[in-house]
Amino acid sequence: LAKTTQPISMDSYEGQEVNITCSHNNIATNDYITWYQQFPSQGPRFIIQGYKTKVTNEVASLFIPADRKSSTLSLPRVSLSDTAVYYCLVGDPIMDSNYQLIWGAGTKLIIKP
Amino acid sequence: DSGVTQTPKHLITATGQRVTLRCSPRSGDLSVYWYQQSLDQGLQFLIHYYNGEERAKGNILERFSAQQFPDLHSELNLSSLELGDSALYFCASSQWGSDSGNTIYFGEGSWLTVV
Repeated sequence: LAKTTQPISMDSYEGQEVNITCSHNNIATNDYITWYQQFPSQGPRFIIQGYKTKVTNEVASLFIPADRKSSTLSLPRVSLSDTAVYYCLVGDPIMDSNYQLIWGAGTKLIIKP
Repeated sequence: DSGVTQTPKHLITATGQRVTLRCSPRSGDLSVYWYQQSLDQGLQFLIHYYNGEERAKGNILERFSAQQFPDLHSELNLSSLELGDSALYFCASSQWGSDSGNTIYFGEGSWLTVV
């Protein structure tokens, strides 16, 4: 199971683009990279998932360099409601019995007015 | 709404008591996961069931047990409760084995307060 490292906390301001980087030096060939968002007292919510290059959906983009040893979650034009904890998880969704079972501390993102 | 339903949403009970938390997974999902999250702590994986069978076990105490029924709903039983068991208990579900990356969908949690 690839271990991930992400900043404990980040601050930004409304309207800015926020990039949260996750390091996963030991990522395996079949591993996917998944990001979740968690608001206080709520269950984590899936944001985006990717395998390589760039993935974009209606809420975020995920940039994965060619070596896949890191990934960057990009949140465009954040608002106060984006204040939350963001988790990066790496694993093989098919073969890894521990996939998405081990969660790190996440990155606490605080958006200021 | 993730489609995962947990009951009860809030529960207050005394030390030494036993409680049961219930989870209904998303329609079609065969996997159910249970997590514990204490105040300002990270998610701690407890146990994973797939189609009625236990697939993985995390840091689940012997006082805790779970099962997944033929209709795929799951129950987490917590007994001999201690003050430290106070936490938010999440259930999550996934299809498991799909080629869509197998994301997990979480319920809103059951708040357990032991007094």
